[in-house]
Amino acid sequence: KAGVTQTPRYLIKTRGQQVTLSCSPISGHRSVSWYQQTPGQGLQFLFEYFSETQRNKGNFPGRFSGRQFSNSRSEMNVSTLELGDSALYLCASRRDSPNYGYTFGSGTRLTVV
Amino acid sequence: GESVGLHLPTLSVQEGDNSIINCAYSNSASDYFIWYKQESGKGPQFIIDIRSNMDKRQGQRVTVLLNKTVKHLSLQIAATQPGDSAVYFCAENRGGADGLTFGKGTHLIIQP
Repeated sequence: KAGVTQTPRYLIKTRGQQVTLSCSPISGHRSVSWYQQTPGQGLQFLFEYFSETQRNKGNFPGRFSGRQFSNSRSEMNVSTLELGDSALYLCASRRDSPNYGYTFGSGTRLTVV
Repeated sequence: GESVGLHLPTLSVQEGDNSIINCAYSNSASDYFIWYKQESGKGPQFIIDIRSNMDKRQGQRVTVLLNKTVKHLSLQIAATQPGDSAVYFCAENRGGADGLTFGKGTHLIIQP
């Protein structure tokens, strides 16, 4: 079966702009979470969605937001981009039940110039 | 604060030898742990997981050991192969929707 699909793979944006990243989870997975990966901070949890509701959010400013659609696809948005937002943004999906392994996509590499 | 940390940033082993990657966690409430492998340009790939009611779990060439007394997790890779070269992350989940808390990662290098 198809894995987690993230689009686009690469993105270059200018400071102050906004960006929207997309994630399609594995079929049947209703939980989608987002992570930011940087060399300095490693992998950090952004937020998790389940049945179109945000269940939890990590320690990120309000410029970072997301949503989930009825088909479980998810988008995350970053407004007023800063240079420090340059990172690999990873999406992961899992089955409904807790304590099942999250399956990650290949990520979107965002570069802010 | 609560964190999951790795003891060594880089581990170099000879091809064919066994590898052991360690991880310390600080939150005793964590009840689920996962090891991921990340190759360059790819997302983390699930290797093996373990729940807090277990102390050992085996997969194909991999074994995860959990010591709750000292809050320590390890990943053992048997007969290391060139394809095992990657960064390995441990991650913990505290149940519910807190997301995963990742360690900084260990870069495993396989020497021929």
